[in-house]
Amino acid sequence: GQNIDQPTEMTATEGAIVQINCTYQTSGFNGLFWYQQHAGEAPTFLSYNVLDGLEEKGRFSSFLSRSKGYSYLLLKELQMKDSASYLCAVGDSNYQLIWGAGTKLIIKP
Amino acid sequence: DAGITQSPRHKVTETGTPVTLRCHQTENHRYMYWYRQDPGHGLRLIHYSYGVKDTDKGEVSDGYSVSRSKTEDFLLTLESATSSQTSVYFCAIRSSGGAAISYEQYFGPGTRLTVT
Repeated sequence: GQNIDQPTEMTATEGAIVQINCTYQTSGFNGLFWYQQHAGEAPTFLSYNVLDGLEEKGRFSSFLSRSKGYSYLLLKELQMKDSASYLCAVGDSNYQLIWGAGTKLIIKP
Repeated sequence: DAGITQSPRHKVTETGTPVTLRCHQTENHRYMYWYRQDPGHGLRLIHYSYGVKDTDKGEVSDGYSVSRSKTEDFLLTLESATSSQTSVYFCAIRSSGGAAISYEQYFGPGTRLTVT
């Protein structure tokens, strides 16, 4: 079967760092994606990892370990506008995206 | 901005009526997708298209049909709406060609459908 797990909800403080984990078991693997979704809006693309290691984009970084079926999204210097849901998705053997249920991130002042 | 629009943005309909949602793109992308999003679930693929008149089923296709007669338009039809189809529906396109090294998807603004 195909399964993607991520925590349902996390809380962090403005200015701090938070790590959102994602574990996956899929029938194929063609990369891992992270999306951000603000309440009432569409998901927006954040990052893509296909090789092991860390990809950094400003305040956001994404890490992948294919052998462990594991990824994380690291958000630094948290701002109130980072309050959103973060969706993990895996590209399967047909390049379709299999989605996790998302992690709701709450930022407190 | 991937140039994707959806219409209508909100709709309330009655059980048993047919409903058609429209997705329109302006950038000539080959792949288009219809998803539904419900609390506690990830995005679930309903149908997708890989070209004009070329479509295939996703994991939750029962009760839905699609059509793509032009590159820019992808229609989703609920043949006889049921309360279980109350959801937010997103259309997406897949990046392709050029210098793209990945195949991320870009989403339209969504349609909130309520079936009473």
